[in-house]
Amino acid sequence: GAVVSQHPSRVICKSGTSVKIECRSLDFQATTMFWYRQFPKKSLMLMATSNEGSKATYEQGVEKDKFLINHASLTLSTLTVTSAHPEDSSFYICSATQGLPNGELFFGEGSRLTVL
Amino acid sequence: SQQGEEDPQALSIQEGENATMNCSYKTSINNLQWYRQNSGRGLVHLILIRSNEREKHSGRLRVTLDTSKKSSSLLITASRAADTASYFCAVMDSSYKLIFGSGTRLLVRP
Repeated sequence: GAVVSQHPSRVICKSGTSVKIECRSLDFQATTMFWYRQFPKKSLMLMATSNEGSKATYEQGVEKDKFLINHASLTLSTLTVTSAHPEDSSFYICSATQGLPNGELFFGEGSRLTVL
Repeated sequence: SQQGEEDPQALSIQEGENATMNCSYKTSINNLQWYRQNSGRGLVHLILIRSNEREKHSGRLRVTLDTSKKSSSLLITASRAADTASYFCAVMDSSYKLIFGSGTRLLVRP
């Protein structure tokens, strides 16, 4: 099956620094990628939808200046958490699809961010 | 915001028993999908059911969809200890966003 790779899988950073998380579709072209955030023992909360070559669409309540999303190519989307604070600590998961609405979504393994 | 609510939140069964999880949603959908997540890991796609379908099978999985009641169920038959995980339903809405339900934590006791 198709593979989506996230990097890094774990990152620890100091408060005030910025962290970039990469999401790559390894064997298919992803026209759309989704970024989710998951708190412990909770469900996935959609943060934004990213389409290649256009600006990301953010969900209500998600700060676009805090969570910068770039989908520069059909195989790569990045999420940058800017000026990270401890409350940004979370599990971030991306997913990618070749096409909507009935194209299968493939999920990355997630990136655990800890902000000290 | 989350679209769906899942019921039960947690389920503990004996190996060999069947497990049934339910999902309700609020808006019109293109399709409904079920995913599995092992603790601290990514999600694994289990099955997709389109809005014009009522039932779908995949191995030991059976999914039903009732669009009039805006609900779906996932049945895992002859459960195994390895089925222990969290299970999420997710709806693809009219704007092509995939919105997840609250999840069911399944524990299958050996």
